[in-house]
Amino acid sequence: DAKTTQPNSMESNEEEPVHLPCNHSTISGTDYIHWYRQLPSQGPEYVIHGLTSNVNNRMASLAIAEDRKSSTLILHRATLRDAAVYYCIPYNTNAGKSTFGDGTTLTVKP
Amino acid sequence: DTGVSQDPRHKITKRGQNVTFRCDPISEHNRLYWYRQTLGQGPEFLTYFQNEAQLEKSRLLSDRFSAERPKGSFSTLEIQRTEQGDSAMYLCASSLAAHSSGANVLTFGAGSRLTVL
Repeated sequence: DAKTTQPNSMESNEEEPVHLPCNHSTISGTDYIHWYRQLPSQGPEYVIHGLTSNVNNRMASLAIAEDRKSSTLILHRATLRDAAVYYCIPYNTNAGKSTFGDGTTLTVKP
Repeated sequence: DTGVSQDPRHKITKRGQNVTFRCDPISEHNRLYWYRQTLGQGPEFLTYFQNEAQLEKSRLLSDRFSAERPKGSFSTLEIQRTEQGDSAMYLCASSLAAHSSGANVLTFGAGSRLTVL
């Protein structure tokens, strides 16, 4: 499994953009990059995924570096409900499983 | 569809007892995963099924743990002779795996919290 490095914690002010970084320097060429988040007392929920191109959906944007060794999850306007642990996961379709690290705990201040 | 359901939500047991957790995945999903999560840590992979076949089991998983998915629908996770170190949140997830894409988006249940006294 490719290893990931994420900051343990980050803080943001409400209604400001948040950029959550992830380093995955050992990612293979066929690994997708998935992001999940886990709100307090809930199971993780899917946020977004991509392979090479930047991706946007209603929850967030994913910016993938050209060399694919890092990616950034972008929340365009953080709300208090975005306070959660965010996990970056390189996913190999042949492996089948998704391996979670310890993620980044995002605190959103009003 | 109501998503992934797990039962029970909470279980308190005494050391040495057996416990069983049930997971009902999203009906059209062919893959089902079990994870374990302790406080402050990310979910730890335990095992997964594709339809009724158990395709992978974590090497860290004790022989006291067994999982089944007999008809390719719901799954059970049994822990025999529980120990205090088994106290954790047990998470189930399901997905519709497609080799043609990197989707394999996991949908998680709310988890079953186990406390071993």
